[in-house]
Amino acid sequence: AQKVTQAQTEISVVEKEDVTLDCVYETRDTTYYLFWYKQPPSGELVFLIRRNSFDEQNEISGRYSWNFQKSTSSFNFTITASQVVDSAVYFCALHSSASKIIFGSGTRLSIRP
Amino acid sequence: ETGVTQTPRHLVMGMTNKKSLKCEQHLGHNAMYWYKQSAKKPLELMFVYSLEERVENNSVPSRFSPECPNSSHLFLHLHTLQPEDSALYLCASSQALIGTSGSWYNEQFFGPGTRLTVL
Repeated sequence: AQKVTQAQTEISVVEKEDVTLDCVYETRDTTYYLFWYKQPPSGELVFLIRRNSFDEQNEISGRYSWNFQKSTSSFNFTITASQVVDSAVYFCALHSSASKIIFGSGTRLSIRP
Repeated sequence: ETGVTQTPRHLVMGMTNKKSLKCEQHLGHNAMYWYKQSAKKPLELMFVYSLEERVENNSVPSRFSPECPNSSHLFLHLHTLQPEDSALYLCASSQALIGTSGSWYNEQFFGPGTRLTVL
């Protein structure tokens, strides 16, 4: 079965704190993609990153970083020095040959000034 | 226009009405999607079109009828909806890699959505 679990429903931190959003996935496929999307209050989902299952290198993009670990089936997302503009709902998603795409239930992140 | 556009942005309709949602992508993608987002089920994939052919229909009621006349346009025709169909309807597009061993869908680009209210 294909499944994506984002156990953190809501997170609230004070500006400039670091925050990590967890994503755990299940798949029997050996080849798959993992994604993170951001949905700000305006409603439009914005693509952040895609990871191929063969590439376990961690990635950093400015204040954003992603930790992909196949051993624990996790693809966690960390925001360093959070800002109010980071407030949004963040979705993790999985795509493999067995399924088009499955989204997690999302984590609502609130950054307090 | 750039990216993915959706019209209308807001729609209020009665249960006996017939309306259509429109989506247009200007990214040269070959796959398009309809999603339903409600408070109860955050993101539900409804339909996927790849190369203008429907490749997935996730058990969506027949009162929702998609149409993909070309790779840039996607419609969702609505008729005799129920109040529980009230939700945000999102359209997305992506590039699909079609091979003999299967299809792979790259990252999706989403439109702003249509907020639908069924009275």
